Amino acid sequence: KNEVEQSPQNLTAQEGEFITINCSYSVGISALHWLQQHPGGGIVSLFMLSSGKKKHGRLIATINIQEKHSSLHITASHPRDSAVYICAVRPGGNTPLVFGKGTRLSVIA
Amino acid sequence: DVKVTQSSRYLVKRTGEKVFLECVQDMDHENMFWYRQDPGLGLRLIYFSYDVKMKEKGDIPEGYSVSREKKERFSLILESASTNQTSMYLCASSLLGGQNEKLFFGSGTQLSVL
Repeated sequence: KNEVEQSPQNLTAQEGEFITINCSYSVGISALHWLQQHPGGGIVSLFMLSSGKKKHGRLIATINIQEKHSSLHITASHPRDSAVYICAVRPGGNTPLVFGKGTRLSVIA
Repeated sequence: DVKVTQSSRYLVKRTGEKVFLECVQDMDHENMFWYRQDPGLGLRLIYFSYDVKMKEKGDIPEGYSVSREKKERFSLILESASTNQTSMYLCASSLLGGQNEKLFFGSGTQLSVL
């Protein structure tokens, strides 16, 4: 079974800092997702990656298939970025996603 | 935008009660999922369905059942609620995989079993 590890578990940053959240998985995958959950809120999908890099606004997601590793970067962080960021992988085909436990980010003004 | 609607935001039930959690999606998605989310444990898959009248067990199906009689509706049933089923329950839906694969979540039901 695929194990998904996220680091760090908790992260506190000052507004404006560049933030990196890491995700590692143990076996080959067909896709990797990054999701965001605000306090008391639902979960929204940020990115789906199968290779390379994707960018949306201040968010950048990268994946290295050989190293079984993905990173989520936030540039010019803002207090509204405070949330739990969740990595999830699809082992293959139409199998259900396997989720990491999330990284709790707090951005302080 | 896709909407996934869960019937209740908060629910309080007593031990032994039968509990129904309803989930409806409005985008004709084939795939639907039920998760529970507990502090420190992340999201855990209870049951999923890839088509009407089809269901598959996830990682933690014990104490739960599901029903998918119509494509847009996926119900989670706690046959006899217990205190260890107190949790946040999240429903999600998606199209089959591909480059535009995306998972859509409902806003969750916080269930307390007393």
